[in-house]
Amino acid sequence: IQLTQSPSLLSASVGDRVTLSCKGSQNINNYLAWYQQKLGEAPKLLIYNTNSLQTGIPSRFSGSGSGTDYTLTISSLQPEDVATYFCYQYNNGLTFGSGTKLEIK
Amino acid sequence: EVQLVESGGGLVQPGRSLKLSCAASGFTFSDYNMAWVRQAPKKGLEWVATIIYDGSRTYYRDSVKGRFTISRDNAKSTLYLQMDSLRSEDTATYYCATHYGYTYYFDYWGQGVMVTVSS
Repeated sequence: IQLTQSPSLLSASVGDRVTLSCKGSQNINNYLAWYQQKLGEAPKLLIYNTNSLQTGIPSRFSGSGSGTDYTLTISSLQPEDVATYFCYQYNNGLTFGSGTKLEIK
Repeated sequence: EVQLVESGGGLVQPGRSLKLSCAASGFTFSDYNMAWVRQAPKKGLEWVATIIYDGSRTYYRDSVKGRFTISRDNAKSTLYLQMDSLRSEDTATYYCATHYGYTYYFDYWGQGVMVTVSS
């Protein structure tokens, strides 16, 4: 399954509600996770099984979706959220999306 | 606190070998499936290999099958990746990670180690 993330670059203001998209080439059956990778750091698991928040992750992060279309939402963007975000599917094989780079405007 | 610390990276010529290690602490290593995930410079992430908690089964992506070997020493809480017949396209930062359900998501990651394959 190939994953397409959009947009590739997103610029938003502190406090904005931000939505990142991930689309699969086939049905993912909700076996989708989201990772945050800050510059020079390892990826961090944010969301698994489409909408389950990993322990210790702030509640402003949430996930949704079904079928081939999935979304990561940040309800109120904070400066520390600057990072690249990857979606990852584990329904059929193990593949990552190409990432969305999130910047502060 | 879960800690995963990779080591063993460096510059190696094409066709040569390198062995990565990942020292685990802060959790019961022998209860966890483990994986290696890599990231080429300025590129996305790519799963490389997974080993079951007791070492009984291993899984590889097609491009490394027959060249890479994942293994573990539960007594030493250490994960390994033996990389043979290295190619330029293997150049990447290699991360070790816990692999939930061995086919699901990667929940904890190390800081990564760089491997450069170049003459």
